[in-house]
Amino acid sequence: GENVEQHPSTLSVQEGDSAVIKCTYSDSASNYFPWYKQELGKRPQLIIDIRSNVGEKKDQRIAVTLNKTAKHFSLHITETQPEDSAVYFCAASNTGTASKLTFGTGTRLQVTL
Amino acid sequence: NAGVTQTPKFQVLKTGQSMTLQCAQDMNHNSMYWYRQDPGMGLRLIYYSASEGTTDKGEVPNGYNVSRLNKREFSLRLESAAPSQTSVYFCASSDGGSYNEQFFGPGTRLTVL
Repeated sequence: GENVEQHPSTLSVQEGDSAVIKCTYSDSASNYFPWYKQELGKRPQLIIDIRSNVGEKKDQRIAVTLNKTAKHFSLHITETQPEDSAVYFCAASNTGTASKLTFGTGTRLQVTL
Repeated sequence: NAGVTQTPKFQVLKTGQSMTLQCAQDMNHNSMYWYRQDPGMGLRLIYYSASEGTTDKGEVPNGYNVSRLNKREFSLRLESAAPSQTSVYFCASSDGGSYNEQFFGPGTRLTVL
């Protein structure tokens, strides 16, 4: 089955700096890569996703890049703000399997003033 | 539009007791999922239902059973709870098919003593 590794497990940045979280996956058939944000005590919520036919996608201060050859994908947050502090999860899916997601172990991002 | 709802929010069980976690969605989604979340381990899929009338095992199904009661409802049952099942349980739903976002419920925090 699919295996998703996520690094780093914790990340501390100063407000205004950029943050990068990296994931690797093992199944070359995976073709959908969402990122979820989970605030303390809350449910995970989708913030951005990318399909395997696209190399990069941006939405305001967040962007995701995908390297299919290397089986890497990354989340980039620019101009970080205190409200970006949360746990971020990457995931991978082969959409032929009922959109079944395999999640990474999460990155706790802390944005300090 | 409530989205995905779960009951109960919190539960304490003794080893060997049984209980059922309830999940319902009002988005007319085809697919539903049960995850458990443990510190440092991300979200792991227990069972999923690609469509009404079907259920399949995920990554960690041992000790659990599920029922897709109808299109709206998907329940998770612990027949004989063990301390290793102490976790936060999330239900999710999606349209199924390709590239579809999973929407999560608020979670159930279960402690087994």
